[in-house]
Amino acid sequence: EVLIVESGGGVVQPGTSLRLSCVASGFDFSSYAMTWVREIRGKGLEWVAGLNNNGLSINYGESVKGRFAISRDNSKNTVFLHMTSLRADDTGIYYCARNGSAGIFDSWGQGARVDVSS
Amino acid sequence: ETVMTQSPLSSPVTLGQPASISCRSDRTLVDTDGNTFLSWFHQRPGQPPRLLLYKVSQLFSGVPDRFSGTGAGTEFTLKINKVEPEDVGIFYCMQATHFPFTFGQGTKLELK
Repeated sequence: EVLIVESGGGVVQPGTSLRLSCVASGFDFSSYAMTWVREIRGKGLEWVAGLNNNGLSINYGESVKGRFAISRDNSKNTVFLHMTSLRADDTGIYYCARNGSAGIFDSWGQGARVDVSS
Repeated sequence: ETVMTQSPLSSPVTLGQPASISCRSDRTLVDTDGNTFLSWFHQRPGQPPRLLLYKVSQLFSGVPDRFSGTGAGTEFTLKINKVEPEDVGIFYCMQATHFPFTFGQGTKLELK
């Protein structure tokens, strides 16, 4: 069974940093691209970032480019999202998902809540 | 970035009746190999999104066949042939042809 678990969320002040982790199991992690999607209350879903199976091809959403960094450690079946210069509009639930192919986000975690407030 | 526009944003439906959601992109979603990476997701309150269809019309494993997807180029449609109680929630289209991937605003399906 595919299992994806996010961690690292919390309440932080504007301008600070936070790192989310996503641990996956139940499949050959090193063969799959992975992605982060966030849910912003009142705005819906927004694609944040994605990387391919070896972590060498990386892309970001426009609103996080230059502030967020995605990476992975295939030896630990883990994907990271390092978020810096956090703003109030980054507040939301951050989901990690397996990307079977372009747009086939076929397995999701339950999400990590991030609250950026002073 | 590619802008995805869904309509309607809210859809009151009757159980057992059909429902349809439109999704438009501001540029073609056909890539240079002729593939169209348009997916549909469903999200219930308090739950992560769930993949329904990919590549316009391909039903994901385990998804009931009352869901279907059609369309090409810039215009796409999700149809539910008979709405069930568990279909309540928000439906999103998402394009994965062009980086960055982008979602539509979401369509809230609610019972009349």
